[in-house]
Amino acid sequence: DAKTTQPPSMDCAEGRAANLPCNHSTISGNEYVYWYRQIHSQGPQYIIHGLKNNETNEMASLIITEDRKSSTLILPHATLRDTAVYYCIVRVANSNSGYALNFGKGTSLLVTP
Amino acid sequence: GAVVSQHPSRVICKSGTSVKIECRSLDFQATTMFWYRQFPKQSLMLMATSNEGSKATYEQGVEKDKFLINHASLTLSTLTVTSAHPEDSSFYICSAWGAAPYGYTFGSGTRLTVV
Repeated sequence: DAKTTQPPSMDCAEGRAANLPCNHSTISGNEYVYWYRQIHSQGPQYIIHGLKNNETNEMASLIITEDRKSSTLILPHATLRDTAVYYCIVRVANSNSGYALNFGKGTSLLVTP
Repeated sequence: GAVVSQHPSRVICKSGTSVKIECRSLDFQATTMFWYRQFPKQSLMLMATSNEGSKATYEQGVEKDKFLINHASLTLSTLTVTSAHPEDSSFYICSAWGAAPYGYTFGSGTRLTVV
């Protein structure tokens, strides 16, 4: 799996957009970018994933650069409940069986009032 | 959406006893389940991967005789911590593979405290 690099921590004011960067310069052509978050003492929660096109869902947007070497997760209007550790994971998508997601250290996002 | 039920959410046990943690996929069949461990202020560390009906594959450094994993059906996997010691105190999380559209669904975790 390609290695990812994320800033260890970020702050964001409530109501503003939170932009979380992730570097994955060694990503392969068949590897997807997944984003999960973990609120304190809970299991990880899926946010979004993508291959090369930008993606948007009800939770967030994922912007992947054209060379796919980096991506940004955007929470458009952060709330206090978005305070969590955000993990960027690169993984081959396999439809036949699962390979474990390997978690790095992630970015600890603190949303402040 | 896909749901993975994990219980108990919290357990306290005495040193030397065994504890079983259950992980169930409620609305899909999980061909593969994963068990993670997370110590305070650290990331999730993969312990083992289990496929229904076969033996689990353990990560390096994880004692298979201490952490017994059973994946007897497509909806249930169990992790038994045998002869627990205080250093086994941790947050244990299961994940199930098999639900569309993104495949990985996580349980809510089990906080194990060994006293």
